[in-house]
Amino acid sequence: NAGVTQTPKFQVLKTGQSMTLQCAQDMNHNSMYWYRQDPGMGLRLIYYSASEGTTDKGEVPNGYNVSRLNKREFSLRLESAAPSQTSVYFCASEKGQGGGNTIYFGEGSWLTVV
Amino acid sequence: TQLLEQSPQFLSIQEGENLTVYCNSSSVFSSLQWYRQEPGEGPVLLVTVVTGGEVKKLKRLTFQFGDARKDSSLHITAAQPGDTGLYLCAGGPGSEKLVFGKGMKLTVNP
Repeated sequence: NAGVTQTPKFQVLKTGQSMTLQCAQDMNHNSMYWYRQDPGMGLRLIYYSASEGTTDKGEVPNGYNVSRLNKREFSLRLESAAPSQTSVYFCASEKGQGGGNTIYFGEGSWLTVV
Repeated sequence: TQLLEQSPQFLSIQEGENLTVYCNSSSVFSSLQWYRQEPGEGPVLLVTVVTGGEVKKLKRLTFQFGDARKDSSLHITAAQPGDTGLYLCAGGPGSEKLVFGKGMKLTVNP
């Protein structure tokens, strides 16, 4: 029972490099999310996708792009990485968006930009 | 912008002690969730409360949603080392607007 799987687990980038974080869920969920978690800041929403084919900005979208490739997959791209994007990134999914539903998180991707 | 303030931010206690962590806001939430996050892993949902005044129990954990739906508390009875982790509260009108608190880092020493 994989749940939410995200790759890579760890990545070191140089400033200006680009990369894509991959996320897939096998629970047939409609909604998917990308969060970043920084010390003292809690979890902040970057982008979300309420359904296949739709994406919307969250609280901190600048410097990121996303693609909802299909119902299973939701990727996060950093076009030109900056040190401020050093963080732990979590992908999550949810069956619906009614509020109060269970959100399932991946194990996280540790990104360091030097 | 809705904000959730958690207190305390850090707590280190001995096995067997009780503790309470608070989650407060000036805003009303339609639902409030509590998560536990262990090092190197993603948050895992513990409970969702939706009704003002609601109390839910999960073994040694007791969750309460304030009558006005602006605050919540988590009480752990007889804490064990396995309770060690980061406890996060999150609330919102919907998941796309879910707001997370900064978390309370709990260490339970044997």
